[in-house]
Amino acid sequence: NAGVTQTPKFHILKIGQSMTLQCTQDMNHNYMYWYRQDPGMGLKLIYYSVGAGITDKGEVPNGYNVSRSTTEDFPLRLELAAPSQTSVYFCASNLRDSAAFFGQGTRLTVV
Amino acid sequence: GEDVEQSLFLSVREGDSSVINCTYTDSSSTYLYWYKQEPGAGLQLLTYIFSNMDMKQDQRLTVLLNKKDKHLSLRIADTQTGDSAIYFCAERGRSGGYQKVTFGIGTKLQVIP
Repeated sequence: NAGVTQTPKFHILKIGQSMTLQCTQDMNHNYMYWYRQDPGMGLKLIYYSVGAGITDKGEVPNGYNVSRSTTEDFPLRLELAAPSQTSVYFCASNLRDSAAFFGQGTRLTVV
Repeated sequence: GEDVEQSLFLSVREGDSSVINCTYTDSSSTYLYWYKQEPGAGLQLLTYIFSNMDMKQDQRLTVLLNKKDKHLSLRIADTQTGDSAIYFCAERGRSGGYQKVTFGIGTKLQVIP
């Protein structure tokens, strides 16, 4: 099993551009999450999904969108990128009541 | 809202024991977790404890839970240089129908050879 796979690992984006961070898991987990990690700030939840077709906002959803058309995939869309979105982004998944498995992260720089 | 607090930094000598502490506020917590993050990597689950347990031991790791004080600790025996990493405490509670996981900001463990 590959677990949780994120692509790309690194990306530099210009202010105002858009991009999609990809996340896929092969564990048939129903719960999926996107977090951002900033130095000294821990993990902040951006969006989460409890199953295909269902998404909801986390703590810091502004500037992001998600979709969950399949159980496996949970892409995160950045529209009109801003420097404040420079961060490391982590995707995670789990079954109900189990611990979350994390991807390796995407390091995004907005310049 | 729910909150999880940890100290930012801990330094220990190789071979000593490390104790990383965490406090949380959510009284509905069901599970509490410890994750390890090495540089440039994602979070890796180290261990977890059910909220109705007091202690869990797994090789060099001992987790202690004081539910009354909402205090969680992770003890690493015979700390090695490979244990240098950031350790995140997390708790799973209930927020409406969704089992929300709240993370602390992470404790950076430095192991001195």
